[in-house]
Amino acid sequence: SYVLTQPPSVSVAPGKTARITCGGNNIDSKSVLWYQQKPGQAPVLLIYYSSDRPSGIPERFSGSNSGNTATLTISRVEAGDEADYYCQVWDSNSDHPVFGGGTKLAVL
Amino acid sequence: EVQLVESGGGLVKPGGSLRLSCAASGFSFSNAWMSWVRQAPGKGLEWVGRIKSKTHGGTTDYAAPVKDRFTISRDDSKITLFLQMNSLKTEDTAVYYCTGGYSYGSHVFDIWGQGTMVTVSS
Repeated sequence: SYVLTQPPSVSVAPGKTARITCGGNNIDSKSVLWYQQKPGQAPVLLIYYSSDRPSGIPERFSGSNSGNTATLTISRVEAGDEADYYCQVWDSNSDHPVFGGGTKLAVL
Repeated sequence: EVQLVESGGGLVKPGGSLRLSCAASGFSFSNAWMSWVRQAPGKGLEWVGRIKSKTHGGTTDYAAPVKDRFTISRDDSKITLFLQMNSLKTEDTAVYYCTGGYSYGSHVFDIWGQGTMVTVSS
């Protein structure tokens, strides 16, 4: 089955830019979704179709996808961005969604 | 308001059964493909299974760890999604979320419930 690999943690200072990667074989051929999950809360959709933002999601959040790596970029990081971030694709072979292991973003 | 509200979680012994419900409101539930996603304590998200809309056949599909033990169904007249869990194992302990595609296509989980906790323990 298709595997997505994320770094367990990323640290960033407030006001700086955080980049969270999601690795997968030829992932650029797939549509990548990104979710944010704060402690005790349900996930929230941040990015769909690799780079589109749902209404209500700040422009500070952006997505890109190239080769074997998709990237979630968070600009001008705020303390409130501390959360777990998950990437997800739809595995066309199994017709099942696949989640990455998640990345915990720490704002120093 | 677009909303999903799960219920039915609780403590159950290994080998037991539990039925979760997910009440929908504020969107066209009958047209939505709905899924269950779970999250074990301190772990990541794991897809459990999906049911398509009746328009697309209403068929179900499951992740390997739950196949043949869990059953997803829907009652569009009551705008409710169900997850019947049988032969429960300790490793099924998790928060169970119902989720679905509302605005951006069937494969985009843009609406989530708040989750319901299932604990399997003797």
